[in-house]
Amino acid sequence: GQQLNQSPQSMFIQEGEDVSMNCTSSSIFNTWLWYKQDPGEGPVLLIALYKAGELTSNGRLTAQFGITRKDSFLNISASIPSDVGIYFCAGVYNQGGKLIFGQGTELSVKP
Amino acid sequence: KAGVTQTPRYLIKTRGQQVTLSCSPISGHRSVSWYQQTPGQGLQFLFEYFSETQRNKGNFPGRFSGRQFSNSRSEMNVSTLELGDSALYLCASSEFGGSYEQYFGPGTRLTVT
Repeated sequence: GQQLNQSPQSMFIQEGEDVSMNCTSSSIFNTWLWYKQDPGEGPVLLIALYKAGELTSNGRLTAQFGITRKDSFLNISASIPSDVGIYFCAGVYNQGGKLIFGQGTELSVKP
Repeated sequence: KAGVTQTPRYLIKTRGQQVTLSCSPISGHRSVSWYQQTPGQGLQFLFEYFSETQRNKGNFPGRFSGRQFSNSRSEMNVSTLELGDSALYLCASSEFGGSYEQYFGPGTRLTVT
């Protein structure tokens, strides 16, 4: 079945640093979403992208829908301790299809 | 608006038993999707219900089933539990079927012994 490759698997950064993570697929996707999951909670939707080349911000978070439609990027600027958690990309490759999730990027932030 | 609620939050069952999990979506949301989350397989889609009809289904055995009621609340059932069914089961709601802006509940942690 379709798979999303998310990288890196984990990141250890200093507070204040910028973070970048990405998701790639061998197939063209129509929709990309980014979620964050805190321990013991369900994922929370951060950003949704619907068009190739689309760049969308949500506070310190910025995500882009790759031009090739096979990738997406999430950047976090000036990280803070509450950014700690697992970030998931998710995509849909056919209209009406199911959401497919990446394996997640675990972010740790040192104060 | 209240968020998605799931009950129970934690459950311990024995192999061979069956279990029913419940999900109440955000008010006004008519679509409910279920996911299984495990460390090894990550987040995997189980099924989606919209207006009491199963709209989409993942690649899980027939032991996993679900239903949706007229008030959009949904239940998920797993029969003949196996050790590998131990997981966090997440429910997500959206305003309409096929919407990918899904809002997740806190999940039910199922442990099968």
